[in-house]
Amino acid sequence: EPEVTQTPSHQVTQMGQEVILRCVPISNHLYFYWYRQILGQKVEFLVSFYNNEISEKSEIFDDQFSVERPDGSNFTLKIRSTKLEDSAMYFCASCNNRGMSYNEQFFGPGTRLTVL
Amino acid sequence: GQQVMQIPQYQHVQEGEDFTTYCNSSTTLSNIQWYKQRPGGHPVFLIQLVKSGEVKKQKRLTFQFGEAKKNSSLHITATQTTDVGTYFCAGNTGGFKTIFGAGTRLFVKA
Repeated sequence: EPEVTQTPSHQVTQMGQEVILRCVPISNHLYFYWYRQILGQKVEFLVSFYNNEISEKSEIFDDQFSVERPDGSNFTLKIRSTKLEDSAMYFCASCNNRGMSYNEQFFGPGTRLTVL
Repeated sequence: GQQVMQIPQYQHVQEGEDFTTYCNSSTTLSNIQWYKQRPGGHPVFLIQLVKSGEVKKQKRLTFQFGEAKKNSSLHITATQTTDVGTYFCAGNTGGFKTIFGAGTRLFVKA
């Protein structure tokens, strides 16, 4: 069964450093998302991406964040200058059909980001 | 901004007992989804409800969407140990942004 993959599974970085989290969505999917989940808390929407551009973003997704689909398979989230409060699990998700009738999002296993 | 509240935060049940989690949105939703997250895992899609008053069943799970499309519930009949995890509702108002509730963590004692 096709699945979303994410690398690395765990990333440790120093405050102020740049990190890039990588995702490979399911191949025929068209809509891509990044979410974050601080330990023990709810899943928070960061950004959605469709047709090679950001379709919607949350207030969390400020100028320190950017997303890119550099080729036909990868979808990346970059944090330019990490802060302690960026420590969280970051999930990538993809979806094939965003119509009203069906909106199943397939989540990847996540990347745990630890900022020291 | 839009908020999705979910209660209870935790629920401990004896295996075989029923379980219900409730979700309430501050705004009318175009659809609501339910996800299950096992400890240490990622959210897994369970179902999407779209129509006002809709009820859907998946084996022992029953999902409801309120008439006003602002609330929803998930009911599990006769829980099993395999039901443990956190159940999240997630609402969408027509855009791309999906707002998750805080989740209800279910503990099942054998």
